[in-house]
Amino acid sequence: GAGVSQTPSNKVTEKGKYVELRCDPISGHTALYWYRQSLGQGPEFLIYFQGTGAADDSGLPNDRFFAVRPEGSVSTLKIQRTERGDSAVYLCASSLTGSGGDTQYFGPGTRLTVL
Amino acid sequence: DQQVKQNSPSLSVQEGRISILNCDYTNSMFDYFLWYKKYPAEGPTFLISISSIKDKNEDGRFTVFLNKSAKHLSLHIVPSQPGDSAVYFCAASSGGSNYKLTFGKGTLLTVNP
Repeated sequence: GAGVSQTPSNKVTEKGKYVELRCDPISGHTALYWYRQSLGQGPEFLIYFQGTGAADDSGLPNDRFFAVRPEGSVSTLKIQRTERGDSAVYLCASSLTGSGGDTQYFGPGTRLTVL
Repeated sequence: DQQVKQNSPSLSVQEGRISILNCDYTNSMFDYFLWYKKYPAEGPTFLISISSIKDKNEDGRFTVFLNKSAKHLSLHIVPSQPGDSAVYFCAASSGGSNYKLTFGKGTLLTVNP
């Protein structure tokens, strides 16, 4: 079946602009995660959705970052007033239930470049 | 503060030999550990995991060993194949926040034919 898909694959924007990154999880997966991978680093947790609600948003770096999952499927990560330090690969993952031991399946990521 | 550390940025081995990738952690609350493999332009792919109640888990050519007292785990790949060439990430999670994975920086494994 289809895996996790993310669009766009690449996004180049200017400092101060607003961007939206989209994630389509595996069908039937109730849990959805966003991670950010900066150059030379491993992925860092941003936010976890269980269904439509953000169960844990402790990894969002500041209030410029916001994510939604209005129907419990597709999620959008929104970044306002982008800064050069926001440049990274943004990874989305989904899992069946979100419980312990549940395998997280990752999408290919969106590479965001802020000029 | 890196809670999961992979101190070797890269490793090169010959095809057919054993590859050993190492990972150390500092957070005593971690109780579940995973290895992910990542090819360029793709997302990380789950490889193998181990719970803290075990010290070994094996899946085909891949074995993960956990030494809780040393806060150390390792991934053994035997025999190594050229298709195993990728970046390997060690990750950990704990108890009530077991959905939140903390990753190391990764080790680039190159398997030479």
